[in-house]
Amino acid sequence: EDQVTQSPEALRLQEGESSSLNCSYTVSGLRGLFWYRQDPGKGPEFLFTLYSAGEEKEKERLKATLTKKESFLHITAPKPEDSATYLCAVQGSTGNQFYFGTGTSLTVIP
Amino acid sequence: ETGVTQTPRHLVMGMTNKKSLKCEQHLGHNAMYWYKQSAKKPLELMFVYNFKEQTENNSVPSRFSPECPNSSHLFLHLHTLQPEDSALYLCASSQGAGGNSPLHFGNGTRLTVT
Repeated sequence: EDQVTQSPEALRLQEGESSSLNCSYTVSGLRGLFWYRQDPGKGPEFLFTLYSAGEEKEKERLKATLTKKESFLHITAPKPEDSATYLCAVQGSTGNQFYFGTGTSLTVIP
Repeated sequence: ETGVTQTPRHLVMGMTNKKSLKCEQHLGHNAMYWYKQSAKKPLELMFVYNFKEQTENNSVPSRFSPECPNSSHLFLHLHTLQPEDSALYLCASSQGAGGNSPLHFGNGTRLTVT
């Protein structure tokens, strides 16, 4: 069964303290792994798509990487405005389903 | 308007009411989705429409009734809901269902059933 597990559930960082969020997945035939950012009271905002192991994508202080079993979202020198819930989703080779994790709630303290 | 727009943003309804949620996308996409988001749970797919045709109904109770008149508009008609249906309902679109393009979400409707 396709599934996604994100860890940690919550993360508190000091401003400037780099860290990584983990997304472990099992899927039959990965078509894509997607990272989203969700602010309170808003819908998820698309960040990255990764399609194959070894692929990396960067945007400002965020860098996403992908292996055959997991993806990491690295946050370098975070700022308070990076505080949000980060969601990971995978799409397998069958059907139209996107399987989402429960997210990591990130708080960056000034 | 750009992106995916959902109305209303908040809705409080009694268990005997009938209401509708509206979604409009301005991205030129061909697939539209309804998701339910509850606290501490993964996003739960409800319905998928591809080129106006329903392609997924994820065992959703009949008190939720979707309608997709064209590729840009999606509705979710609600009737005789239960308190456990209280959640954030998210609409999303993508270039086409069955491909590997990302979902683009609206800001959701926060539904409270009393």
